[in-house]
Amino acid sequence: EDKVVQSPLSLVVHEGDTVTLNCSYEVTNFRSLLWYKQEKKAPTFLFMLTSSGIEKKSGRLSSILDKKELFSILNITATQTGDSAIYLCAVEAGGTGNQFYFGTGTSLTVIP
Amino acid sequence: SQTIHQWPATLVQPVGSPLSLECTVEGTSNPNLYWYRQAAGRGLQLLFYSVGIGQISSEVPQNLSASRPQDRQFILSSKKLLLSDSGFYLCAWSVDSAFFGQGTRLTVV
Repeated sequence: EDKVVQSPLSLVVHEGDTVTLNCSYEVTNFRSLLWYKQEKKAPTFLFMLTSSGIEKKSGRLSSILDKKELFSILNITATQTGDSAIYLCAVEAGGTGNQFYFGTGTSLTVIP
Repeated sequence: SQTIHQWPATLVQPVGSPLSLECTVEGTSNPNLYWYRQAAGRGLQLLFYSVGIGQISSEVPQNLSASRPQDRQFILSSKKLLLSDSGFYLCAWSVDSAFFGQGTRLTVV
């Protein structure tokens, strides 16, 4: 059974802290791994990772994929209250329809 | 540029009533289209996906159905809603990554 598991389920940190969010997966026909940030409504796209060991960065956010160990991490440095959100990890599986399997998300709360 | 529209944003429906949520995509042709549901405290669950007009694949057996009458239109329906159908429904389309509509908050009372 294809699955995506995220940890921790929730996290509370203070502004300025650095956080690491984890995503492990077991998906056949892996194509890519994606990270999304969900605040009030629809998730917004952060990163797409397809190759192992290549870090993607956007400001204070960065992510890396390990296709051998089947996991990815999302790092957020110098956290701000605006980073409070649910962070979703999804894995795209190839084949007909290119299905996306989502984890349950990590709820991050940044306290001033 | 590609955009995706989903409506309505919120909906309150009585148990046993029908449902129709609509999603349209602009700026692309022959997209893969998806319906997801996000129940409270749970992740996004894939309900249906479609690779073309009239082609629907269902991921989980349930009270819902989907249709794709046009290339850029994807509809989620139910003949009789259940209380357990309450949740947040997201339409998405994909090229390389999935792009989401704004979602519909459905409350069945």
